[in-house]
Amino acid sequence: AQTIHQWPVAEIKAVGSPLSLGCTIKGKSSPNLYWYWQATGGTLQQLFYSITVGQVESVVQLNLSASRPKDDQFILSTEKLLLSHSGFYLCAWSPQTEVFFGKGTRLTVV
Amino acid sequence: QEKVQQSPESLIVPEGAMVSLNCSFSDSASQSIWWYQQHPGKGPKALISIFSNGNKKEGRLTVYLNRASLHVSLHIKDSQPSDSAVYLCAVSNSGGSNYKLTFGKGTLLTVTP
Repeated sequence: AQTIHQWPVAEIKAVGSPLSLGCTIKGKSSPNLYWYWQATGGTLQQLFYSITVGQVESVVQLNLSASRPKDDQFILSTEKLLLSHSGFYLCAWSPQTEVFFGKGTRLTVV
Repeated sequence: QEKVQQSPESLIVPEGAMVSLNCSFSDSASQSIWWYQQHPGKGPKALISIFSNGNKKEGRLTVYLNRASLHVSLHIKDSQPSDSAVYLCAVSNSGGSNYKLTFGKGTLLTVTP
């Protein structure tokens, strides 16, 4: 069975500090991977997608970047956090049409 | 750009009641429409999807799709307190190599014992 693991579970970070969130998919080779973000009170929206190692496409510009250094790993990062980056970040994968989400990372920028 | 609207924003029902949730979308060329359940602080979990006009039943869930009116609804029969959660409607579109879900804001369902 496929499992998706996100880390950390929660972060409290200062404005202007760097950020790195991670996600690992086990049990599935070459999955399509996604980052979604949900601002508090907002709508869940797709940020990035990747269909293969080393290739990441941006969907929404939020001064964030993403990388896929390994087939089963997806990283979301920024060098300088903004207050507007606060929210719930979800890594997801899809075999074909169903999208499976991880448990998410709650980010609070202060 | 796809837009997804859900109603009502919140709903409180007694245990055993039938629950009806609504969703409208803007792109008639959209592919499948999904309903997800999200508990507080957790990732969404897919419940049911529909592609063709008509209805689809799975257990206590029934979904109706009318592409002409760009409307889909989810009905939960014999609701339970454990059904309390946010229900998200999501419309799928494949643009190039990206399989993208566009979500509505959700409906917060509370089922009281």
